[in-house]
Amino acid sequence: KQEVTQIPAALSVPEGENLVLNCSFTDSAIYNLQWFRQDPGKGLTSLLLIQSSQREQTSGRLNASLDKSSGRSTLYIAASQPGDSATYLCAVPTNDYKLSFGAGTTVTVRA
Amino acid sequence: DAGVIQSPRHEVTEMGQEVTLRCKPISGHNSLFWYRQTMMRGLELLIYFNNNVPIDDSGMPEDRFSAKMPNASFSTLKIQPSEPRDSAVYFCASSLGGTVLFFGSGTQLSVL
Repeated sequence: KQEVTQIPAALSVPEGENLVLNCSFTDSAIYNLQWFRQDPGKGLTSLLLIQSSQREQTSGRLNASLDKSSGRSTLYIAASQPGDSATYLCAVPTNDYKLSFGAGTTVTVRA
Repeated sequence: DAGVIQSPRHEVTEMGQEVTLRCKPISGHNSLFWYRQTMMRGLELLIYFNNNVPIDDSGMPEDRFSAKMPNASFSTLKIQPSEPRDSAVYFCASSLGGTVLFFGSGTQLSVL
């Protein structure tokens, strides 16, 4: 059974600092990995999807890396802003339609 | 497009009452998912529909839970009778197949 772990559970940084969020998974036979953002009281918004053949995916200040062999992905957020405060979840498919989610890392960016 | 629309946003009910949650997926999407989110268990898939047909309901906790999708633009999740342990945020999500999901804003359910 695929287990997805995110450490740390919470992170607080001053504005401008770079953020590094970690995601690990137990079964390396994945075909993609997604990072989501969840704001309080809201649903999840997909940020980045990395295919298994890719090592990196970038969108603006966000960069996600994937190392399948070690079962790890990292989400980097450059020059953090208070608006980046949210919970970030990673997810991997366990079949064609089912996602296994991590518990998330709650980020607070202090102004 | 307005995205996935869920109603109500909040529901407070008493134990034993029937609860119905509603979802309108994104037009053109053929896959619909109901997820439940709690602090203890995180996000769990309850049921998955493809082309309005339930494909996987293995995540539905027990017979008190039922879900329907009478057409491509509407789905319901019903809990009867509700219990305090059903308190959670229930999300509906849709996709064009595969695992790139678009989530609604959720229904915060509190069963007293």
